Amino acid sequence: AQSVTQLDSHVSVSEGTPVLLRCNYSSSYSPSLFWYVQHPNKGLQLLLKYTSAATLVKGINGFEAEFKKSETSFHLTKPSAHMSDAAEYFCVVSDMNRDDKIIFGKGTRLHILP
Amino acid sequence: KAGVTQTPRYLIKTRGQQVTLSCSPISGHRSVSWYQQTPGQGLQFLFEYFSETQRNKGNFPGRFSGRQFSNSRSEMNVSTLELGDSALYLCASSIIGRGGVNEQFFGPGTRLTVL
Repeated sequence: AQSVTQLDSHVSVSEGTPVLLRCNYSSSYSPSLFWYVQHPNKGLQLLLKYTSAATLVKGINGFEAEFKKSETSFHLTKPSAHMSDAAEYFCVVSDMNRDDKIIFGKGTRLHILP
Repeated sequence: KAGVTQTPRYLIKTRGQQVTLSCSPISGHRSVSWYQQTPGQGLQFLFEYFSETQRNKGNFPGRFSGRQFSNSRSEMNVSTLELGDSALYLCASSIIGRGGVNEQFFGPGTRLTVL
């Protein structure tokens, strides 16, 4: 069975400092992994996705994530936070080889301090 | 290309009523999924429709139902509304719909308030 755990419900960083949002997953097969961002009163927007190609995935707005199979992790990072990054971030897992549901993490609220 | 659209954007109902929400996917997308988002439970999968057939279903009571039309537009219905049904209901479309390499594109959601 699939599952995904976002280790922090809230993360606060100062503008200009690095961002790290942690995600661990559990999957019986070869997973696809995604990060989505949700700004207030908006729908979800795809940031990046991992689909068994390069383990370091670059996304939009300077975000990237590294798939580490040995650690079953897919942490999201950004070198320098911007005020506009304040939002909720969701880590998502699904199995490539099964007709299974997509599983969302509980979300991490990112706060950017001026 | 137009994005996923959902109507209405906001809705207020009272307990016991029923409600129908609508979702128009991106042109060419055949899969439509519905999610309920609440502060306490986060994002929860309701169901997925593909080519007018329900292909996956989450753990929601039978009061929650849906359908998909031949043009891939989808509707979601909730009968006998309860206070706990107050949530943001999100619709997402994808080209094929398997939870693999095809990412989902989300609409802005319908905010349902049950009084």
